[in-house]
Amino acid sequence: QQQVKQSPQSLIVQKGGISIINCAYENTAFDYFPWYQQFPGKGPALLIAIRPDVSEKKEGRFTISFNKSAKQFSLHIMDSQPGDSATYFCAASTGNTGKLIFGQGTTLQVKP
Amino acid sequence: GAGVSQTPSNKVTEKGKYVELRCDPISGHTALYWYRQSLGQGPEFLIYFQGTGAADDSGLPNDRFFAVRPEGSVSTLKIQRTERGDSAVYLCASSLMFSSDTQYFGPGTRLTVL
Repeated sequence: QQQVKQSPQSLIVQKGGISIINCAYENTAFDYFPWYQQFPGKGPALLIAIRPDVSEKKEGRFTISFNKSAKQFSLHIMDSQPGDSATYFCAASTGNTGKLIFGQGTTLQVKP
Repeated sequence: GAGVSQTPSNKVTEKGKYVELRCDPISGHTALYWYRQSLGQGPEFLIYFQGTGAADDSGLPNDRFFAVRPEGSVSTLKIQRTERGDSAVYLCASSLMFSSDTQYFGPGTRLTVL
């Protein structure tokens, strides 16, 4: 019920390409779905987040697509850059607590 | 402004010893969270404070782990009788309030238990 499953575990994309990372959840009480970016030796930093009342949210090159019926959401990075090379985590929480349940992470490498 | 800070950045200890990890949240943030991140894994929730009180400690793995936030600002995570399996990066995060506010993470404390 509390699990968030993330795929793929690792991803290699050419510069300028589209990076796509997927997550699936089980707990229908989740109502907040953030994506975090983490560089080696640093703490995770919020990239973009969505609530289930919308199906898509875009901020610059980053887009979240949300499918409530399938209980899935994904991160799309357009025009991927070498500086985007990092580990990405999806997460979910319920409205009455900030307790984040994280996926296992995706290591993205963008080749120049 | 200053972000979340954590000290020490690295801690090496021997099995059975006691350790304290400190977190200084962003000024004015009322909610504070502790997570543990093992190598190659996502952060795992340990405990969260709303003000001075622990609102949810369901993630603490056992009674060797304890956390306090006596004045509603700085928090200390305490681990007694450390075990090799406690080795991980301990992350602290704070948010303006609880619920779905953005959580801002510190750089973490890397704990190694020999």
